Amino acid sequence: NAGVMQNPRHLVRRRGQEARLRCSPMKGHSHVYWYRQLPEEGLKFMVYLQKENIIDESGMPKERFSAEFPKEGPSILRIQQVVRGDSAAYFCASSPVERPTDTQYFGPGTRLTVL
Amino acid sequence: LAKTTQPISMDSYEGQEVNITCSHNNIATNDYITWYQQFPSQGPRFIIQGYKTKVTNEVASLFIPADRKSSTLSLPRVSLSDTAVYYCLVVSTGGFKTIFGAGTRLFVKA
Repeated sequence: NAGVMQNPRHLVRRRGQEARLRCSPMKGHSHVYWYRQLPEEGLKFMVYLQKENIIDESGMPKERFSAEFPKEGPSILRIQQVVRGDSAAYFCASSPVERPTDTQYFGPGTRLTVL
Repeated sequence: LAKTTQPISMDSYEGQEVNITCSHNNIATNDYITWYQQFPSQGPRFIIQGYKTKVTNEVASLFIPADRKSSTLSLPRVSLSDTAVYYCLVVSTGGFKTIFGAGTRLFVKA
């Protein structure tokens, strides 16, 4: 059973470009979480999604950031008009059920570098 | 959401038992205590979760006193490969936001 897949693993963008980060949850998991991690810091919750629904996006910046989890295909975290401050590691996690106390399984992350 | 406080870093030697304590003074009745481990350039990995008293699995033990205002992760006989950051989280059954603190950087020396 493959784990959580994220791609690309590394992404380089110039200021003003768009970044698209993809996350394929574990098989059978319909709940996806996105986190951002700056160097030497802990993970910061961004958004929690179920299939076709955003459940909690309270940790996501109001502008330039969006997330989706379509009925078919991976979850996408989209960052428009990237700035240097967006440089970070972005982790996706999935869980099989909606109980928040359930274990979240994390992917390897996408490291975004904004030049 | 209850805030957690844990030491920034700890050093240990191979073969020793390591105990990492986490404070969560404002923990609520519905909250669980969860610990994750993160290696460099990898996503966090679940270690253990508990509500009260003691929980043990093949990797670690978790001790939670009666007042639940703190918890201690115990790693028996650590090895060099246990060098990682360990996060203590308080997870609420009433919400979905998971708060990671700065974690404890454990360095295991030979």
